[in-house]
Amino acid sequence: ETGVTQTPRHLVMGMTNKKSLKCEQHLGHNAMYWYKQSAKKPLELMFVYNFKEQTENNSVPSRFSPECPNSSHLFLHLHTLQPEDSALYLCASSQEGTSGYEQYFGPGTRLTVT
Amino acid sequence: AQSVTQLGSHVSVSEGALVLLRCNYSSSVPPYLFWYVQYPNQGLQLLLKYTSAATLVKGINGFEAEFKKSETSFHLTKPSAHMSDAAEYFCAVSVGGGADGLTFGKGTHLIIQP
Repeated sequence: ETGVTQTPRHLVMGMTNKKSLKCEQHLGHNAMYWYKQSAKKPLELMFVYNFKEQTENNSVPSRFSPECPNSSHLFLHLHTLQPEDSALYLCASSQEGTSGYEQYFGPGTRLTVT
Repeated sequence: AQSVTQLGSHVSVSEGALVLLRCNYSSSVPPYLFWYVQYPNQGLQLLLKYTSAATLVKGINGFEAEFKKSETSFHLTKPSAHMSDAAEYFCAVSVGGGADGLTFGKGTHLIIQP
């Protein structure tokens, strides 16, 4: 595997379910991010992890719970979601200390909440 | 806080014509600027970035962008459009200083007419 991978690619869940999204980066980076991409809205930064420590939580509802067990893996735990949470969830990684801090994105998980 | 404005949610050009996608930013400190492209059902791919070196930046697939501080702009251009350029394009800004999340514009959908 290369780059940033995300599983599953598609997920349909009911409002009472609990599920998790997984992201893995194979780039040796030390920072990871979750973004939400909804139709007709700009990409929204949700969480930032830097060296496994959460450094930013962009006022995200508590029904979204991130976990970063090591610098290569990032999870987003979901529970009691709402239909408006249906979106493409993108994971990204970057290497702090390099010029520009460009982020590398995974293909995303398309989430549908029914 | 920084922000990004992309003028035109949809831009249509003929194959072989000049592509111009506009991006203006707002930042209280010197920014890092990025252009990303997103093809259907895929994540975001970095096209190019500005990191306070050369103001004219060349990227992949024949794209380039020019940083103009006086105009707070970072417009993306390509001399000759190809059908494969049809996609969603996002301008993003980061003010650096560590593993910051990116602030994205709303995106511009580029349509290539045969």
